[in-house]
Amino acid sequence: ETGVTQTPRHLVMGMTNKKSLKCEQHLGHNAMYWYKQSAKKPLELMFVYNFKEQTENNSVPSRFSPECPNSSHLFLHLHTLQPEDSALYLCATQGGAGQPQHFGDGTRLSIL
Amino acid sequence: TQLLEQSPQFLSIQEGENLTVYCNSSSVFSSLQWYRQEPGEGPVLLVTVVTGGEVKKLKRLTFQFGDARKDSSLHITAAQPGDTGLYLCAGYANFGNEKLTFGTGTRLTIIP
Repeated sequence: ETGVTQTPRHLVMGMTNKKSLKCEQHLGHNAMYWYKQSAKKPLELMFVYNFKEQTENNSVPSRFSPECPNSSHLFLHLHTLQPEDSALYLCATQGGAGQPQHFGDGTRLSIL
Repeated sequence: TQLLEQSPQFLSIQEGENLTVYCNSSSVFSSLQWYRQEPGEGPVLLVTVVTGGEVKKLKRLTFQFGDARKDSSLHITAAQPGDTGLYLCAGYANFGNEKLTFGTGTRLTIIP
């Protein structure tokens, strides 16, 4: 139990669907992150939220839309995705600058 | 852009053998972390090294941070099947930075 819970664990969707990924943390951390993990590529940072404010958008296409309604929840809204968006999407939290990050177990996303 | 190159990319060895995984960069990092990721799970922190030349031991795992803080190594003694997983190094460029740069990963398989 890492204190970071992601749902759903698996998601299969068509390119025209709209879905959302959810991340919930019980660690009281102020920073939350979305990462994309694809085969043969390093972990790619997508978005960073600090105290519910987005502080980083790492040139992510607009078909990915993050939302952080409160300090415990982070969402990633998906719309009109492409086959190359199939990957493991990981949420992470951090308690302070330079501290380790705590990861959820990810959502395995497959785009048909 | 800071890059962390890990080698080897894949490693498969017999139980009981020793191994070393390397994490190299041309950039200086204020601190470096090692994570292990098992199938179906998110990365889990193993260790953080901060001081150049620092050596940390975690049971059969020995971590070293290079003197110039540009590289790190992970040495495993008498590998066991439970060591199987994806090993990731990750570094902070500056103290107080909220963005972790992840390495390319080493996928380790220990054969019983």
